Amino acid sequence: ETGVTQTPRHLVMGMTNKKSLKCEQHLGHNAMYWYKQSAKKPLELMFVYSLEERVENNSVPSRFSPECPNSSHLFLHLHTLQPEDSALYLCASSPVGLTSGVDTQYFGPGTRLTVL
Amino acid sequence: DAKTTQPTSMDCAEGRAANLPCNHSTISGNEYVYWYRQIHSQGPQYIIHGLKNNETNEMASLIITEDRKSSTLILPHATLRDTAVYYCIVRVDDDYKLSFGAGTTVTVRA
Repeated sequence: ETGVTQTPRHLVMGMTNKKSLKCEQHLGHNAMYWYKQSAKKPLELMFVYSLEERVENNSVPSRFSPECPNSSHLFLHLHTLQPEDSALYLCASSPVGLTSGVDTQYFGPGTRLTVL
Repeated sequence: DAKTTQPTSMDCAEGRAANLPCNHSTISGNEYVYWYRQIHSQGPQYIIHGLKNNETNEMASLIITEDRKSSTLILPHATLRDTAVYYCIVRVDDDYKLSFGAGTTVTVRA
């Protein structure tokens, strides 16, 4: 248990569906992240929120829409996805700004997404 | 961030120490060495990090060479549950980016 939870753990959706992934951190951290891990590929950073403001958006297609309503919750809204979007989606949080020195990211268990 | 080079895979025997090398010859003075691991289909797990000095925690030890161009992660008594992909990452402490490479696939055998 890392203090970062993700729901659902598994999701199967069609290309015309709209779904949302949820992440919650119980660590009192200020920053939250979405990563994508496709089969046989390294993790790719998608979005970064710090103090509920988006500070990074790594050229992610608009069919992925993040939302950070507060520092403990992060959503990834999905619509009209493609089969190649099937992957493990990982959420992480870090204490940036709360402690001096390094900023360590802690990951959730991930959501395994399959797009049919 | 500096690039890292790790062996693709390695085996180790249960109960023995596992020594995982990492080369980071272009590391800058303000870049830390981080280690994470990822057990199959789970989220990456933070293990340890260091700047110059050797570090130890309940999971592992990190040995960084004096010139900082390489490091070794040591799992003192490997168990079957330590089978995972281990990632060595270098990053500046105030940078959001955590760039994961291919890592080393470690298989602990009984």
